[in-house]
Amino acid sequence: DTAVSQTPKYLVTQMGNDKSIKCEQNLGHDTMYWYKQDSKKFLKIMFSYNNKELIINETVPNRFSPKSPDKAHLNLHINSLELGDSAVYFCASSPGLAIFSTDTQYFGPGTRLTVL
Amino acid sequence: AQSVTQPDIHITVSEGASLELRCNYSYGATPYLFWYVQSPGQGLQLLLKYFSGDTLVQGIKGFEAEFKRSQSSFNLRKPSVHWSDAAEYFCAVGARSGSARQLTFGSGTQLTVLP
Repeated sequence: DTAVSQTPKYLVTQMGNDKSIKCEQNLGHDTMYWYKQDSKKFLKIMFSYNNKELIINETVPNRFSPKSPDKAHLNLHINSLELGDSAVYFCASSPGLAIFSTDTQYFGPGTRLTVL
Repeated sequence: AQSVTQPDIHITVSEGASLELRCNYSYGATPYLFWYVQSPGQGLQLLLKYFSGDTLVQGIKGFEAEFKRSQSSFNLRKPSVHWSDAAEYFCAVGARSGSARQLTFGSGTQLTVLP
């Protein structure tokens, strides 16, 4: 019954590696998001996709590349990991293209990434 | 650009006491406002939201929030805090970003509940 799920929950890796975080939602939502929560708990949006189309792309290093194979999935691939990438990454989804509605965003449990 | 300020980094209250968490926003248009709660090691759960209409909004777990346009505030309140309310609380504003509406979060308020 998990609405928004992320895998893995924890990810520990070395600098320079490439890693992916997967997100799936079974709510039938059209829009999905990736947020980064830093060590000070500050949440900042990174990307948003609507029906597999990128609609929000904040100032994020191009080492981060989102991929949406279908509207239920939004994966985050990170190349050449750096120490500063250590954070908790949250996936979220909302029913429609949020600008036209009062949609609530539903969040996944988060993926804690630690870069050594 | 929109912004959200939560002035209190950490608040401690005794169980059974009342609670108010402050949130101030900056946004040029009518804001959509949210309060989320994050328990340790957990994701974010929506407590309540305001879009329009009655400025006093009721949420889950006995929480309420009041939108005050003149003060650009959306403070969260609970009349009697339970130990299970200990968590991090985030205020957010939903604002336009190009063709979409994105959430901008405050820095959070950590709530500790004393027995």
